[in-house]
Amino acid sequence: NAGVTQTPKFQVLKTGQSMTLQCAQDMNHEYMSWYRQDPGMGLRLIHYSVGAGITDQGEVPNGYNVSRSTTEDFPLRLLSAAPSQTSVYFCASSLLGQGEGRAFFGQGTRLTVV
Amino acid sequence: SQQGEEDPQALSIQEGENATMNCSYKTSINNLQWYRQNSGRGLVHLILIRSNEREKHSGRLRVTLDTSKKSSSLLITASRAADTASYFCATDAVLNTGFQKLVFGTGTRLLVSP
Repeated sequence: NAGVTQTPKFQVLKTGQSMTLQCAQDMNHEYMSWYRQDPGMGLRLIHYSVGAGITDQGEVPNGYNVSRSTTEDFPLRLLSAAPSQTSVYFCASSLLGQGEGRAFFGQGTRLTVV
Repeated sequence: SQQGEEDPQALSIQEGENATMNCSYKTSINNLQWYRQNSGRGLVHLILIRSNEREKHSGRLRVTLDTSKKSSSLLITASRAADTASYFCATDAVLNTGFQKLVFGTGTRLLVSP
């Protein structure tokens, strides 16, 4: 019973590099989201998806892309990393919209951009 | 857009004592959730309380909701060292796309000493 799995757990990037953060869930949830967690700011929504093929922007989408080709996977792409993207990133999935019911979170990816 | 503010920011108690954390929010809600985050880990759902409920219990957890004051409290009774974590309240907010997202506060750091 894996739940939500994120990889990698840690990553260091140079400014301008690109990378993809992986997220997979095995609960057949339609709703998936990406959040970033910064000190003193709580978690902020980056992008979300309400099902395969359907994605949309959250509060802080600039510099990030997502796609949802399957129900299970929801990768987050950093197009050209910037120091301001240094953060801890969490993927979440839920059966209902995440304000409607319980959300399941991955363990997080700690990203440092130098 | 930060909706919830937890109080206190940090709380230090001894094992066996009760811990009370408070959350205030700004706009009307359909429900409020509490999550726990152990250091370096993802968030774990604790409890959800709907706007028409005033109190809810789950094991050693007791949550109250006062919609007239736009506030909630989380009480952990008979605290254990394993309860050491950060605790976040999260309220629902509907985006203009209809997606119901979670809006997190900045959390209360609880330290339970043996």
